[in-house]
Amino acid sequence: TQLLEQSPQFLSIQEGENLTVYCNSSSVFSSLQWYRQEPGEGPVLLVTVVTGGEVKKLKRLTFQFGDARKDSSLHITAAQPGDTGLYLCAAYSGAGSYQLTFGKGTKLSVIP
Amino acid sequence: DTGVSQNPRHKITKRGQNVTFRCDPISEHNRLYWYRQTLGQGPEFLTYFQNEAQLEKSRLLSDRFSAERPKGSFSTLEIQRTEQGDSAMYLCASSAGVGVRADTQYFGPGTRLTVL
Repeated sequence: TQLLEQSPQFLSIQEGENLTVYCNSSSVFSSLQWYRQEPGEGPVLLVTVVTGGEVKKLKRLTFQFGDARKDSSLHITAAQPGDTGLYLCAAYSGAGSYQLTFGKGTKLSVIP
Repeated sequence: DTGVSQNPRHKITKRGQNVTFRCDPISEHNRLYWYRQTLGQGPEFLTYFQNEAQLEKSRLLSDRFSAERPKGSFSTLEIQRTEQGDSAMYLCASSAGVGVRADTQYFGPGTRLTVL
């Protein structure tokens, strides 16, 4: 089973600050996904990265896939209270498998 | 609303009772997934259907758990003889089935199970 390690586990910052969260593994992935989950709700897909070195931007969120496709990062610029939530990275478990493996997540709190 | 729906949203039961959850996927999505999420963890895969066929099952899915998707549309997840360790959020997701790398799973709001 491929293990996805996310760091930090918890992050509390002031509105307007920048932050980066990480997703690391010893395995190579064909693609990696980032989700955001709010309390009492299911995860919502933010982005899928596919190519090593790929950078994708979603408004103030910047996602990067490592060159070796083993790790990824999510950078948020000028965080807002609406960014508060649990950020999860996930990847498919193996060739031909539709089983998504998730990290434990980074719980982000943005204080007004 | 055309998203994934799950019922009930919350279920409280006593240890030893049976419970059943329902998931209605996005219409025309042929793939349906069940996950379990406990506090402080990411979702853990339980099982996956392609139309009515159950194609993958996790070791987490003990013999007390059974999932069905009889007509390839909605799915049910039943837990027999519930234990306190079954307390978790049970999430359902569906996808259109466009290959693995590009296939997006859309999640429902989940059913929160509490076993007393």
